[in-house]
Amino acid sequence: QVNLLQSGAALVKPGASVKLSCKASGYTFTDYYIHWVKQSHGKSLEWIGYINPNSGYTNYNEKFKSKATLTVDKSTNTAYMELSRLTSEDSATYYCTRLWVYWFAYWGQGTLVTVSS
Amino acid sequence: DIQMTQSPASLSASLGETVTIECRASEDIYNGLAWYQQKPGKSPQLLIYNANSLHTGVPSRFSGSGSGTQYSLKINSLQSEDVASYFCQQYYNYPYTFGAGTKLELK
Repeated sequence: QVNLLQSGAALVKPGASVKLSCKASGYTFTDYYIHWVKQSHGKSLEWIGYINPNSGYTNYNEKFKSKATLTVDKSTNTAYMELSRLTSEDSATYYCTRLWVYWFAYWGQGTLVTVSS
Repeated sequence: DIQMTQSPASLSASLGETVTIECRASEDIYNGLAWYQQKPGKSPQLLIYNANSLHTGVPSRFSGSGSGTQYSLKINSLQSEDVASYFCQQYYNYPYTFGAGTKLELK
């Protein structure tokens, strides 16, 4: 069965960067794009972007273009998202997710990022 | 970007009641709409896709309807396990966008 296993919670200082991981299993990693979604505490969901694991092609939400960088390691079936120049506005839970056709059928368990000095 | 306006923001209902959540898109999304359920501390889970198709394993008391810019999620015979937040999401166009969510509680 499809499983997306995300890295653990992170506490990072303002101005720093953090790299989150999402290890995929149960399917052929290069066959499906990996998407990332942000959920600020108690609030709604925002689509950050996706990466094609086969080609490395990325498509970002304009809002996150200077904030997030998506990469993959095909040798370990792992997708990464690096968030840079962190502020309190970046404190949130981040999910990796995978489509089935066009809708998000599979979700990781989420990674809580807390930005605090 | 397509804006998704979801209502109500919160809802209180009794067991066995029928509840309806609405979602309005800022333009026609041609049934490119999904509904998700999210319980506290958990990831969102897919309920409905293509506006009215029930995802595998989702109880039949959940149903979706609508077209154009107006969509709704109905829960018949509310159960205690339905207490959660619900989100709509359009996938007709990038960037994908979500509604603000509806928090459903028991009365």
